Amino acid sequence: QKEVEQNSGPLSVPEGAIASLNCTYSDRVSQSFFWYRQYSGKSPELIMSIYSNGDKEDGRFTAQLNKASQYVSLLIRDSQPSDSATYLCAAPPNAGGTSYGKLTFGQGTILTVHP
Amino acid sequence: DGGITQSPKYLFRKEGQNVTLSCEQNLNHDAMYWYRQDPGQGLRLIYYSQIVNDFQKGDIAEGYSVSREKKESFPLTVTSAQKNPTAFYLCASSMFGGDEQFFGPGTRLTVL
Repeated sequence: QKEVEQNSGPLSVPEGAIASLNCTYSDRVSQSFFWYRQYSGKSPELIMSIYSNGDKEDGRFTAQLNKASQYVSLLIRDSQPSDSATYLCAAPPNAGGTSYGKLTFGQGTILTVHP
Repeated sequence: DGGITQSPKYLFRKEGQNVTLSCEQNLNHDAMYWYRQDPGQGLRLIYYSQIVNDFQKGDIAEGYSVSREKKESFPLTVTSAQKNPTAFYLCASSMFGGDEQFFGPGTRLTVL
């Protein structure tokens, strides 16, 4: 099993709907997770960092972390066509492991918001 | 303005040539990273550095080399030993290893 896995997508939602992006992780006790947005041909942009169980809201974006279920999600409310992009989740490996200092990225989920 | 700069934006290389991609940050970050991204693919880590004068191989280091002589700079050399170098190269930095990373705009390398 991959360390960080995202729902494969692609995901298509109508404008104004809620888009739900999911990420599961394994073999880690990471305390932090990050969501990035990458527009086609551009570099990834950090849009949300979450460090503790529960929800974190920033504008139309809500990140949810459930450590017991090893699950982190990103909800985008009132989706807009400008939200169409690839969304990447990332997490550091277990502290003290040989991979210390890196982030592990999921493969990404392509989101399309259609008018 | 604080940020990460990469140059050039586009780079064309003839087969057999070494080329160096520049990455500079003024965020006072300790850690820096190089990734490669192929069309429709995820990010693959080439090299990373958590402190000046020290760096570690990532998942696909063969055919690449780096240096970290200054905190602000982490250049990547794509050598002639890299068999398929055409890709989008991304540099990132973070306050410390394992923290949230911020990316530069990228360099698109094409081998002619």
